[in-house]
Amino acid sequence: DVKVTQSSRYLVKRTGEKVFLECVQDMDHENMFWYRQDPGLGLRLIYFSYDVKMKEKGDIPEGYSVSREKKERFSLILESASTNQTSMYLCASRQGNSNQPQHFGDGTRLSIL
Amino acid sequence: AQSVAQPEDQVNVAEGNPLTVKCTYSVSGNPYLFWYVQYPNRGLQFLLKYITGDNLVKGSYGFEAEFNKSQTSFHLKKPSALVSDSALYFCAVRDPNDYKLSFGAGTTVTVRA
Repeated sequence: DVKVTQSSRYLVKRTGEKVFLECVQDMDHENMFWYRQDPGLGLRLIYFSYDVKMKEKGDIPEGYSVSREKKERFSLILESASTNQTSMYLCASRQGNSNQPQHFGDGTRLSIL
Repeated sequence: AQSVAQPEDQVNVAEGNPLTVKCTYSVSGNPYLFWYVQYPNRGLQFLLKYITGDNLVKGSYGFEAEFNKSQTSFHLKKPSALVSDSALYFCAVRDPNDYKLSFGAGTTVTVRA
């Protein structure tokens, strides 16, 4: 079974802090994704990476950046956290540009105070 | 552009009754379609997918979904619902030529004993 692990389940940070969310997958998947989930809005794609050091903006990249230095790890960075970034953040991975489903981690519930 | 609509925010059924969760999609070509389920404080779990072939696809936990190209729908069904099926359900669509997966807003299913 694919395992996608997000480093924190719950995180509380202050406005203006630089925040790092980490995600690791164990199945050698090329593609990795970061979403945020808000009630009534479903999942919105922040960034995705189709290979090491490759990244593309999703639908809502403003205020975020990402890093993919190794294939198994995809980091989401909030450069200067703001209260409107309080949300559930979900990481996912997928085998290449295939018809296979994305596999999700359990999420990080981030609160910015 | 691709998009998904889940017209019902909530679906309530009695245990043992049939369960249907509706989904319609918009995509330029032949779609890849997915259903996921999310239990409280967890990530999304894959239920089933339609790629090509038989319009009725079967998935995990007794769920199935019917692809209808003329109505651009992919409704999720279960013949006899269980209390444990109470969760948040997401439909998702992907254009095979795109990396991205687009999600609906989600439907909360409550199965009462």
